[in-house]
Amino acid sequence: NAGVTQTPKFQVLKTGQSMTLQCAQDMNHEYMSWYRQDPGMGLRLIHYSVGAGITDQGEVPNGYNVSRSTTEDFPLRLLSAAPSQTSVYFCASSRTGTVGSYEQYFGPGTRLTVT
Amino acid sequence: AQSVTQLGSHVSVSEGALVLLRCNYSSSVPPYLFWYVQYPNQGLQLLLKYTSAATLVKGINGFEAEFKKSETSFHLTKPSAHMSDAAEYFCAVINRGGADGLTFGKGTHLIIQP
Repeated sequence: NAGVTQTPKFQVLKTGQSMTLQCAQDMNHEYMSWYRQDPGMGLRLIHYSVGAGITDQGEVPNGYNVSRSTTEDFPLRLLSAAPSQTSVYFCASSRTGTVGSYEQYFGPGTRLTVT
Repeated sequence: AQSVTQLGSHVSVSEGALVLLRCNYSSSVPPYLFWYVQYPNQGLQLLLKYTSAATLVKGINGFEAEFKKSETSFHLTKPSAHMSDAAEYFCAVINRGGADGLTFGKGTHLIIQP
């Protein structure tokens, strides 16, 4: 199993550009989520999905869109990049609905810089 | 809304000394609790988790944590620090419904002095 994979690993954007961060998992997990990590802030939830076709907002959703057309993939779209979106982005997945689950498996991260 | 407080953004210990990283949570219902470790330029790795079984939880790399409901705490300990333990440590909680994601503390950077 590859687990959770993310592409690209690094990206530099200019203000106003758009791009999609890719996330895929091969563990057949229902739950997938996106976090951003900023120095001294820990990780904050951007969007999450409890299954294909279902998404919802987390703590910091503004400026980001998501969709979930398959169980495996959960891309994160930046519509018009801003310097405030410079961050490290992590995708995570987990099972749901079972007592003792919710252990989230994290991808390696995408380091995004917006100039 | 639940929250997680990690006391001390930086903790420094000598190699071989006790490691104690503090985590307190606020939640009306005891949540599930996790400790993650992040090595430089890497993703997050699960150290251990509390899911309402035993209150003393053992994890990888010799770490353990004790859930204390009366103190709303889930502190992480290791009896003897090793140089390889130097990393960022995050405490996180999730509601038992699980659907609204993890809430993380701001992290504690563990420094090991030789």
